[in-house]
Amino acid sequence: EVHLLESGGGLVQPGGSLRLSCAASGFTFSNYAMSWVRQAPGKGLEWVSGISGSGSTTYYADSVKGRFTISRDNSKNTVFLQMNSLTVADTAVYYCAKTYNDYVFDYWGQGTLVTVSS
Amino acid sequence: DIQMTQSPSSLSASVGDRVTITCRASQGISSYLAWYQQKPGKVPKLLIHVASTLQSGVPSRFSGSGSGTDFTLTISSLQPEDVATYYCQKYNTAPFTFGPGTKVDIQ
Repeated sequence: EVHLLESGGGLVQPGGSLRLSCAASGFTFSNYAMSWVRQAPGKGLEWVSGISGSGSTTYYADSVKGRFTISRDNSKNTVFLQMNSLTVADTAVYYCAKTYNDYVFDYWGQGTLVTVSS
Repeated sequence: DIQMTQSPSSLSASVGDRVTITCRASQGISSYLAWYQQKPGKVPKLLIHVASTLQSGVPSRFSGSGSGTDFTLTISSLQPEDVATYYCQKYNTAPFTFGPGTKVDIQ
């Protein structure tokens, strides 16, 4: 059974940093691209970043480019999202998502809440 | 970047009604279109990919169609458990943008 468990969310001041982690199990992790998708309170889904199975290719939404970095450790079945220069607009639940085919997401974690506030 | 729009933004229908949601891409995306269902307080669930391929385990009352720029999600007979927000998503190239969502309620 596929399982994705995010961690690392919390309260941070504007300009601060956080590192999210997503521990995966139940599938051959290195065979699948992974992504982060966020959802601000009461709002829709926003794709944030993606990384190929090998980790060699990464993608970012314009809203986070230059501030966020996605990475993965295939030996630990974990994907990360380093978030720097956080603003109030980054406040959201951050979901880790496994790709099914291309960047279609068939499994999602339960999410971790990031709150940026002074 | 390609923009995704959805209409309507919300709808209310009766149990048993046929419901259609439209998704439009600002440029052609072939059939690289997925649909997700998010029930209140829950995680999104993949319903359809490649515009019309039903994900395993999804009820057959859900169907998708379209290619290029115009796509539809149809619920042939609305059920109470279908109350949710529905999102389309493009995945031909990054950014893998979601539409703004369509909230479906029961009248």
